[in-house]
Amino acid sequence: DAKTTQPPSMDCAEGRAANLPCNHSTISGNEYVYWYRQIHSQGPQYIIHGLKNNETNEMASLIITEDRKSSTLILPHATLRDTAVYYCIVRVNNAGNMLTFGGGTRLMVKP
Amino acid sequence: DSGVTQTPKHLITATGQRVTLRCSPRSGDLSVYWYQQSLDQGLQFLIQYYNGEERAKGNILERFSAQQFPDLHSELNLSSLELGDSALYFCASSLAGASDTQYFGPGTRLTVL
Repeated sequence: DAKTTQPPSMDCAEGRAANLPCNHSTISGNEYVYWYRQIHSQGPQYIIHGLKNNETNEMASLIITEDRKSSTLILPHATLRDTAVYYCIVRVNNAGNMLTFGGGTRLMVKP
Repeated sequence: DSGVTQTPKHLITATGQRVTLRCSPRSGDLSVYWYQQSLDQGLQFLIQYYNGEERAKGNILERFSAQQFPDLHSELNLSSLELGDSALYFCASSLAGASDTQYFGPGTRLTVL
């Protein structure tokens, strides 16, 4: 699976949009971009994933650049409960394909 | 709530002992994954089972083993425990493993004294 690069930490004001970047310059054509988050030692929580088109669900939006070498996870109105470590993972959707977690971005939402 | 359950929530034991961690996947999911999260290693994949059969192996120690039962629940057995095995152990499940999102359980915190 392609490696990803994320900033180690970010701050965001409560109520503002949180934009979390991820670089995956060696991504292959059949690799998806997944985002998970982990709130203080809880189990990782799935947020969203996409291949090449932008995606939106009730939690977040995922913007993938046209060359697919980077993406941005957007939390439109961050709350204190969004404080967590956010992981960007690139993987092929095949049977037996585990998730490879990097260091992630520690997002701190401040009042 | 992801629908994946894990027991026990906490486990404290001594070096040299053996423990069993249990995972029940989401209803309908056939695939179970085990991950270990320690302070110095981050989240690491251990092993995957699909419909009762081992499908993929990661950095799982020989002292560790797992199985998936006909009712699709899975158990991770850790033996000859060492201090360094202290970690959070997460189970995840997905429908079939291919093209499927993994959903994680709340984890088991293992402390080896």
